[in-house]
Amino acid sequence: AQSVAQPEDQVNVAEGNPLTVKCTYSVSGNPYLFWYVQYPNRGLQFLLKYITGDNLVKGSYGFEAEFNKSQTSFHLKKPSALVSDSALYFCAVRDIKAAGNKLTFGGGTRVLVKP
Amino acid sequence: DGGITQSPKYLFRKEGQNVTLSCEQNLNHDAMYWYRQDPGQGLRLIYYSQIVNDFQKGDIAEGYSVSREKKESFPLTVTSAQKNPTAFYLCAIVDRGFAFFGQGTRLTVV
Repeated sequence: AQSVAQPEDQVNVAEGNPLTVKCTYSVSGNPYLFWYVQYPNRGLQFLLKYITGDNLVKGSYGFEAEFNKSQTSFHLKKPSALVSDSALYFCAVRDIKAAGNKLTFGGGTRVLVKP
Repeated sequence: DGGITQSPKYLFRKEGQNVTLSCEQNLNHDAMYWYRQDPGQGLRLIYYSQIVNDFQKGDIAEGYSVSREKKESFPLTVTSAQKNPTAFYLCAIVDRGFAFFGQGTRLTVV
């Protein structure tokens, strides 16, 4: 079975400060890892993914994430947060060995960037 | 204009009634998924279909039904057996784990 944990329900950060949203995962094989962002009453939008290769993945809107296999983590980061980054962020995992394309999502972390 | 279209955006249902949520895609993709979103619980998989005329139950299929008669369409019916149907419903296509979502339907039972 595959699972994802986002330990923080909400992250508050001042505009211009670094932003980190935490994610840990559990899979039996190797993972595909994803980050999505959701604005109110909208569907999820893709930010970035890790499939293989470099552990540091760069994505949309200045976001990046670091894959750490030993810690089974895939934390989302942005060096300088903007007020417009305030949204709900979801981490997701798919076990490469699992049949089909089932994605498992974390519970989400609400990010609030204050001016 | 390509993508996934969910309709309606907002839906109100009386208790005891069935209601069907629409999901249409013109991306020519085989795999389509339905998720339910509740506050603080992330997204939970209801049903998914890997190919026309075939679908599988997800983690919370009870009280829901689907059909996949056409590649473009994957409607979700919320039946009267679903005890707590008020939620935000998201349709997605998934390819090698990457998901592309519709804009969602917010269902409220009144």
